[in-house]
Amino acid sequence: QLQLQESGPGVVKPSETLSLTCTVSGGSINNENYYWEWIRQPPGEGLEWIGNVYYTGSTYYSPSLKSRVSISIDTSKNLFSLNLSSMTAADTAIYYCVTHRRGSSWHGPWGQGTLVTVSS
Amino acid sequence: QSALTQPASVSGSPGQSITISCTGTSSDIGSSNLVAWYQQHPGKVPTLMIYEGGRRPSGVSNRFSGSRSGNTASLTISGLQAEDEAAYHCISYTTNRGWVFGGGTELTVL
Repeated sequence: QLQLQESGPGVVKPSETLSLTCTVSGGSINNENYYWEWIRQPPGEGLEWIGNVYYTGSTYYSPSLKSRVSISIDTSKNLFSLNLSSMTAADTAIYYCVTHRRGSSWHGPWGQGTLVTVSS
Repeated sequence: QSALTQPASVSGSPGQSITISCTGTSSDIGSSNLVAWYQQHPGKVPTLMIYEGGRRPSGVSNRFSGSRSGNTASLTISGLQAEDEAAYHCISYTTNRGWVFGGGTELTVL
């Protein structure tokens, strides 16, 4: 049973870069059957898909965030990471790491989520 | 890629049926059956209710059903129960090889 756990800072200053890590347990991240993705949810709002990474390192990003986002994978450590630059208050959100079955609309399991607040 | 369009809120009485729509374009919902629905209670992680447009994961009540027609996907909940009160989110694959969510719908059970 795959389990995902986010880690990273709870507070980021405006204009800085957010770096989050998702550690995967219960299975290998080096698996052709899954994509590994980041989804976020501002307080009181809906969900937003940020992007994903495949075990090969190939990535796909939301067009609205593409200029600021980078997702990478480390198969040796069984984790993947999110970098989001030029953070503003609008980026304050719960950030979830999620796994997604290739060729399916089944997104899950999800991590518990981590709240990131942008504040000076 | 614009967010899919969902009604902000819907409501129904216990025992009734409600339908939540999710409208996109030919570049997302209209391009494939890769549409899913999530239920989210306050403060909780979203839970998958429907995938591939109309399939239910094991353990999800058959009161939940999904369908797709053209550029619109729908989630129907029959026999409404108090525990169904939650936010519901749709998500669709896009021809840009990414994914896009709807804005979310708050369901109130009266």
